[in-house]
Amino acid sequence: GAGVSQSPRYKVAKRGQDVALRCDPISGHVSLFWYQQALGQGPEFLTYFQNEAQLDKSGLPSDRFFAERPEGSVSTLKIQRTQQEDSAVYLCASSMMLGGETQYFGPGTRLLVL
Amino acid sequence: QQQVKQSPQSLIVQKGGISIINCAYENTAFDYFPWYQQFPGKGPALLIAIRPDVSEKKEGRFTISFNKSAKQFSLHIMDSQPGDSATYFCAATLNSGAGSYQLTFGKGTKLSVIP
Repeated sequence: GAGVSQSPRYKVAKRGQDVALRCDPISGHVSLFWYQQALGQGPEFLTYFQNEAQLDKSGLPSDRFFAERPEGSVSTLKIQRTQQEDSAVYLCASSMMLGGETQYFGPGTRLLVL
Repeated sequence: QQQVKQSPQSLIVQKGGISIINCAYENTAFDYFPWYQQFPGKGPALLIAIRPDVSEKKEGRFTISFNKSAKQFSLHIMDSQPGDSATYFCAATLNSGAGSYQLTFGKGTKLSVIP
């Protein structure tokens, strides 16, 4: 079946703008993760959803970052008042397992803040 | 504090050779160790994974060796091919206590396999 999809694939924002990044997980996957990958680095955990419940948001770097998954499928990561240090690839991963030990990643959204 | 240290940062291997990437971890609570392969412009793809009660796992040309006492694990790619050229990430996970198995990644190894 289809894998994890993310949109847009590329986003350019002016500093101070708000952005919204979308993730469509694999159908039926209960666990959904967001990660941030800086250039030349490994992904870093941002937040975790089990169905519609956001159980772990310990990795969100500031209160400008907000994520939701209102119906337990599609998720949106929103960044308010973007800063240059927010420039990165934002990866979504989903898992059929509660807790999400085995995760399948989408292609990511590359965000550039000017 | 970097919980998973990966080396080397880059690796060049001749076609047909063996590629070896090493990782070391600090947190003994980690209980699942996956390796991911990432091509430019793509998301990481799960290659192979191991649990700490197993010393070795092999899938095709890919083998993980795991040394629990040394808190180290490595990926071996046998008969390396140009199509294996990618960035490889080791990772480790544990139940965060908030119900999630968030992945902690190494910094990655860029592998180039030359003909």
